[in-house]
Amino acid sequence: NAGVTQTPKFQVLKTGQSMTLQCAQDMNHNSMYWYRQDPGMGLRLIYYSASEGTTDKGEVPNGYNVSRLNKREFSLRLESAAPSQTSVYFCASTLKLGTSSYEQYFGPGTRLTVT
Amino acid sequence: GENVEQHPSTLSVQEGDSAVIKCTYSDSASNYFPWYKQELGKRPQLIIDIRSNVGEKKDQRIAVTLNKTAKHFSLHITETQPEDSAVYFCAASSYSSASKIIFGSGTRLSIRP
Repeated sequence: NAGVTQTPKFQVLKTGQSMTLQCAQDMNHNSMYWYRQDPGMGLRLIYYSASEGTTDKGEVPNGYNVSRLNKREFSLRLESAAPSQTSVYFCASTLKLGTSSYEQYFGPGTRLTVT
Repeated sequence: GENVEQHPSTLSVQEGDSAVIKCTYSDSASNYFPWYKQELGKRPQLIIDIRSNVGEKKDQRIAVTLNKTAKHFSLHITETQPEDSAVYFCAASSYSSASKIIFGSGTRLSIRP
């Protein structure tokens, strides 16, 4: 049981390049998320997917697109990278517990630098 | 839109003393409030959570309190130890959607020996 995995761990892009960050979970969770964390800052929600086949914008969706490929996988795409997108990106998934709570598990993060 | 404010942004306490971190939320539909600890270079990890039908929850040296009327909740760490040094995040969500989880900006807690 690997939990939430992300690839790559590190990436350097030039301005204007594109790339896709991959995320997968093997816990059969319905909901998955992408966050970004800038140095010394909190986690800001980029996009989330409540269930397979659905995606919704979070707090900072501009410049990103997502795909919920299946229940396990949720990818984040930068079509034209900008220096402002330099950040650590965390993927997460959520397990519902009973009728009134849930637990969110995070992947190890992808450190992205755009020059 | 939804917003979660967290204070203070940094907190330094003497080892053995207590630490308190406070959060307020704007969405009255929020009913689930988790707290996360993030050590340097690592992923956030859930340490405790509270639901809206509960006013207080305790787990060893950690406790959370919730005031739904005032829309604020707090994390209390007693008998602090060096390993408590980390960044702590509060978050809020509505369980009915269980999907849109909004985080506070974080508190960097330092424990002085």
